[in-house]
Amino acid sequence: DTGVSQDPRHKITKRGQNVTFRCDPISEHNRLYWYRQTLGQGPEFLTYFQNEAQLEKSRLLSDRFSAERPKGSFSTLEIQRTEQGDSAMYLCASSPLQGVSTEAFFGQGTRLTVV
Amino acid sequence: QKEVEQDPGPLSVPEGAIVSLNCTYSNSAFQYFMWYRQYSRKGPELLMYTYSSGNKEDGRFTAQVDKSSKYISLFIRDSQPSDSATYLCAFDRGSTLGRLYFGRGTQLTVWP
Repeated sequence: DTGVSQDPRHKITKRGQNVTFRCDPISEHNRLYWYRQTLGQGPEFLTYFQNEAQLEKSRLLSDRFSAERPKGSFSTLEIQRTEQGDSAMYLCASSPLQGVSTEAFFGQGTRLTVV
Repeated sequence: QKEVEQDPGPLSVPEGAIVSLNCTYSNSAFQYFMWYRQYSRKGPELLMYTYSSGNKEDGRFTAQVDKSSKYISLFIRDSQPSDSATYLCAFDRGSTLGRLYFGRGTQLTVWP
């Protein structure tokens, strides 16, 4: 297993455009998380899936953001009508359902730049 | 008051020095205490986690938790240039949801 995979690694988009990111978790990891990290800050929680069910969403996840995890495998995060403030690193992490949730493995992230 | 406070540094030390990194927190519900290392333009990787107050050692790294003071530390002995990275403290309430609360990270440079 090669770990958590995110695609694309970098995305430059014009303000107002929609973007979609993909995350492939470690196989058999039931838990999947999305975080956002801006320069000089720690990751901020966006949303959490257990299998295909989205169980928690942060207030940071405005109506322009939507995440899915069909069939409990890969996940997508879509941002509609992007704004310059959306520029950040979007991180995906996964962890097994058994055991403590602290063993979260992060992907390399997708760096979004909105121009 | 922020739930997690971490001095962003930057911290610059010579090779071989002992490094001390710290975080304070205010949420008494935090049960798991973690340190992540993040190299530039990479995702965070878990270094250590502890559940209770006390010390936990792993090679050159020692994590220390003082729940009564709401204070955690990470010590790096015999620091190496390869330790140069941003170190993030993180906290977990231990609920079934598993959301992590991160500090802003301390940027460390170890120069040869």
